Parts: sequence; C-alpha cells; structure tokens
Amino acid sequence: EPEVTQTPSHQVTQMGQEVILRCVPISNHLYFYWYRQILGQKVEFLVSFYNNEISEKSEIFDDQFSVERPDGSNFTLKIRSTKLEDSAMYFCASRPNRVNGELFFGEGSRLTVL
Amino acid sequence: DQQVKQNSPSLSVQEGRISILNCDYTNSMFDYFLWYKKYPAEGPTFLISISSIKDKNEDGRFTVFLNKSAKHLSLHIVPSQPGDSAVYFCAASGLGNKLVFGAGTILRVKS
Repeated sequence: EPEVTQTPSHQVTQMGQEVILRCVPISNHLYFYWYRQILGQKVEFLVSFYNNEISEKSEIFDDQFSVERPDGSNFTLKIRSTKLEDSAMYFCASRPNRVNGELFFGEGSRLTVL
Repeated sequence: DQQVKQNSPSLSVQEGRISILNCDYTNSMFDYFLWYKKYPAEGPTFLISISSIKDKNEDGRFTVFLNKSAKHLSLHIVPSQPGDSAVYFCAASGLGNKLVFGAGTILRVKS
C-alpha cells in the first residue's frame, strides 16, 4: 500500500541552526501538508501546498519556515533558525484531491532543539 | 483557537465493551469530520469519516454519529479490543482544505 515517507526520523540540532525535514508524499497526490505535535499537545496545522505554492498557512508558520517541492517527488519543510520551542514531531501528509477526504500521514520526524 | 474540542483526556474500557469517544466543534462551516488513531511515535492513521449530510457512518466495529444541531460527534467502538488502545483524534474540515484536530483522547482497553 502506498505510504507517505519522512526523513529523518529524529534530528537533534542546536538552537539557531537550520533544519530541513523531508517527505515523499504518495505519488498521485496533489495536496501536501505539514503538521506538528509538541509533546502532549494537539496536532497543529502548519501549511498546505498545492500546484507549487502555499495555499494556506497558520500563524505558527512565520518567516522562519518555508516549504518547497524541489523535484516533483520530495516535499520539504525548512526551519531557518531553530528555537527551543520548535522541538516537536513534524508530520507530513498528502491527499489526492481537494474534495473532502482523509489526509494520509507519514510516521513523523522528531525534532529536538538544544 | 479551540474549534474542535475533545473534553475527555482519557477513557478506560473493559475488553468487549463499548468505547464512546466524544468531540464537539464550534465552527458551523465545518462539513466533514474524521477520526484518526495514533500510536506513540507514529503518524495519525485514518479510521472513519462522516459528511455533514449524514448522521451516521459505520465501518465494521467503528461507527461515527454526527449531531449537527448540537455540533457534536462521537465514535463508538464495539466490541473494544486491547489493540484499540491508542490516542484518538477528532478532526474537521470546512471550506479550506486543512484538517483541524482536537486535543485527543487516550483510550485504554483492559483485558
């Protein structure tokens, strides 16, 4: 069964460093998302991406964050200068079309900022 | 911003009994609702969904009920099994294409 894959599974970084989290969405999907879950809290929407541009973003997704689909298969989330509060599980998700339906989530990338 | 609320942080149920997980929402523009199951260190896994034009959707042991006037939905699991022990998230979507999640309910099924 096709699945969303994410790398790395765990990354430890120093505060102020840049981090890139990578995702390979399901191949025929058109809508892509990043969510995050700080330990013990809810799963929060960060950004959605369609047709090579951001379609919606949350207040969390400030200028320190960016997304890119550089080669038609990978979907990346970059955090330019990490802060302690960026420590969280980051989930990539994809959906085949805009019509209501479930999002398919990856296993997540745990980011630890020291 | 708590548009989707799961007021019970945890629920403990005996194996074989019914588990009922509840969810309330405030945004009347939501028209599609989903339940996800999540194990530690894994991504959320889709369980079941319901459109706002329906009031019930059933899939095996899982049934979701929607009460639009009360802005309330519930997930029933019958019979509950130990493997059902996980965190259950309610989610909703409306005009935008994102999902808004509740805080989750930890379900423990005791054998």
